[in-house]
Amino acid sequence: AQTVTQSQPEMSVQEAETVTLSCTYDTSESDYYLFWYKQPPSRQMILVIRQEAYKQQNATENRFSVNFQKAAKSFSLKISDSQLGDAAMYFCAFYSGSARQLTFGSGTQLTVLP
Amino acid sequence: DTGVSQDPRHKITKRGQNVTFRCDPISEHNRLYWYRQTLGQGPEFLTYFQNEAQLEKSRLLSDRFSAERPKGSFSTLEIQRTEQGDSAMYLCASSLTSGGLFSSYNEQFFGPGTRLTVL
Repeated sequence: AQTVTQSQPEMSVQEAETVTLSCTYDTSESDYYLFWYKQPPSRQMILVIRQEAYKQQNATENRFSVNFQKAAKSFSLKISDSQLGDAAMYFCAFYSGSARQLTFGSGTQLTVLP
Repeated sequence: DTGVSQDPRHKITKRGQNVTFRCDPISEHNRLYWYRQTLGQGPEFLTYFQNEAQLEKSRLLSDRFSAERPKGSFSTLEIQRTEQGDSAMYLCASSLTSGGLFSSYNEQFFGPGTRLTVL
């Protein structure tokens, strides 16, 4: 079974600054996907960024980038130039073809300070 | 198409009552997932359908829970004899998957959820 651990229940960042959210996971699979999802208050969850495990290059989506360390089973999210709209709960998630379901971490509540 | 919709958005019920939630996926999406999210936690997988077939169920899905997707479009999740521990947000997601069971990942799009409170 897969597990996903987010050790930072809460984080805060000053507007325009950079913040990194941590995630570690455990799996015996070699082929899988990792994701960061954003859940704003009272709004639905949206995908921020995805990483395929077979790709060595870290994924980037505008101000969002990941640091994927496969051997260490670590998958952190970096948000650059933080904006007030980035304030939300962020979930790290894992998917493998054999499990066919998303396994989520417990989330990190990000506050952006003006 | 405006995305995945869920109805109702909020439900308050008394312990022992039955409740039913509905999920309408994005048109043409063949996979539909149900997740449960308790306060301060990440969503937990409950079950998923490919078209009308229910292919997997979590151990979290006790025999008081039943899900259907009769025509491969919308889905319902029913909880019988509700308990206070059932209080949670119930999320639905859908995806379009072209491959077989072990196909690569296709993005799951989530609905706004149904918040259930059992008194």
